[in-house]
Amino acid sequence: QSVLTQPPSASGTPGQRVTISCSGSRPNIGLNVVSWFLHVPGAAPKLLIYGTSQRPSGVPDRFSGSKSGTSASLAISGLQSEDEADYYCATWDDSLNGWVFGGGTKVTVL
Amino acid sequence: EVELVESGGGLVQPGRSLRLSCVASGINFHAYAMHWVRHAPGRGLEWVSGINRNSGSMGYADSVKGRFTISRDNAKSSLYLEMNSLRLEDTASYYCAKETGAYFYGSQSHGMDVWGRGTTVIVSS
Repeated sequence: QSVLTQPPSASGTPGQRVTISCSGSRPNIGLNVVSWFLHVPGAAPKLLIYGTSQRPSGVPDRFSGSKSGTSASLAISGLQSEDEADYYCATWDDSLNGWVFGGGTKVTVL
Repeated sequence: EVELVESGGGLVQPGRSLRLSCVASGINFHAYAMHWVRHAPGRGLEWVSGINRNSGSMGYADSVKGRFTISRDNAKSSLYLEMNSLRLEDTASYYCAKETGAYFYGSQSHGMDVWGRGTTVIVSS
């Protein structure tokens, strides 16, 4: 059972907007910034969002992050076939004194 | 080009030890905190351990505390993970990851922005 809760799956057609939620609590999302990662099993994970809403250079502006209270979300607009992957939220947890990840959301492009 | 390359994985019996290594290139390794993150079959990503840029502070997930030890050698741009008393549930791909700044914890930590391709550890009798 992950400390951060994500839906196991999400889907959309090409060009659609998909939003992935990440629910936590005060010691983690409530007090710290959130990161989002894309992972294709077998390959290196990739940072999509850091500092809750910042995009590293090279990440398209189709990806955006936000936070409200103890929940965060990742939005993917203009969905593309290459966006099919597992997406994870993560943050530091002040109570556990460690990084915590969500269980991951598998995004499928229909 | 920034690159992290892990090594040291393999097949090991329960209760035995293994040492993972990660060599960095293309970055000022000494300026950044580092992490180990693992991905077990059928499960999600799990943070294993982190270390500040100067080895002044280390942290561990509860699942590995007391069994795993993280360390680094800035002169060699290398990160290590000493894994003792290995269990079946430690079977996973282990990734080395660079932190965005000098600290791996708290509000000063913003995430892992560079990742290696991973090394696989299989614990089996």
